[in-house]
Amino acid sequence: RKEVEQDPGPFNVPEGATVAFNCTYSNSASQSFFWYRQDCRKEPKLLMSVYSSGNEDGRFTAQLNRASQYISLLIRDSKLSDSATYLCASNTGFQKLVFGTGTRLLVSP
Amino acid sequence: EAGVTQFPSHSVIEKGQTVTLRCDPISGHDNLYWYRRVMGKEIKFLLHFVKESKQDESGMPNNRFLAERTGGTYSTLKVQPAELEDSGVYFCASSQEGLGRQFFGPGTRLTVL
Repeated sequence: RKEVEQDPGPFNVPEGATVAFNCTYSNSASQSFFWYRQDCRKEPKLLMSVYSSGNEDGRFTAQLNRASQYISLLIRDSKLSDSATYLCASNTGFQKLVFGTGTRLLVSP
Repeated sequence: EAGVTQFPSHSVIEKGQTVTLRCDPISGHDNLYWYRRVMGKEIKFLLHFVKESKQDESGMPNNRFLAERTGGTYSTLKVQPAELEDSGVYFCASSQEGLGRQFFGPGTRLTVL
């Protein structure tokens, strides 16, 4: 079993829709979590950090559920420019990141 | 503020040759990480420097890979001799101590023929 698992998608949604991705982790020692956005053939760009229960930044909300060991990312009012792969990563103490394979999002007009 | 930079952006070499990748972290970031993504797989950790010291090199595949960070600034990752399975995108990331957020460079796409 992979340490961090994500549904690869793709998730196809129309502009303006709300979409949510889940990411499950198996290492209960994981302390912090991150959502990265990766465009095709580009580097991962940090989107959100989650250290406690959750975080919100504009249209993006991340929630952490330690009891069930998952993190979610909610995107409201989807834009065409949100089309990308969203990577979930965990960290056991500000050291190496363990990544999932990513969830692909396609936002259509 | 300049981001993480990596050189070269692409490298195509033949099996058995040597390649050296370079990473310049964000100024002031003591933590430097190397990761690799092979086709169809997730990004995987290779090693972690704190300043010039190797903190964790548990992800290094074998002794054909050698990473250095002399002086605690830029880092190099040398693959010698390269094998076909070394092909992939090598990312470097850096972070400030204690925050955990890592910022990635654009990567070096390595192709071994």
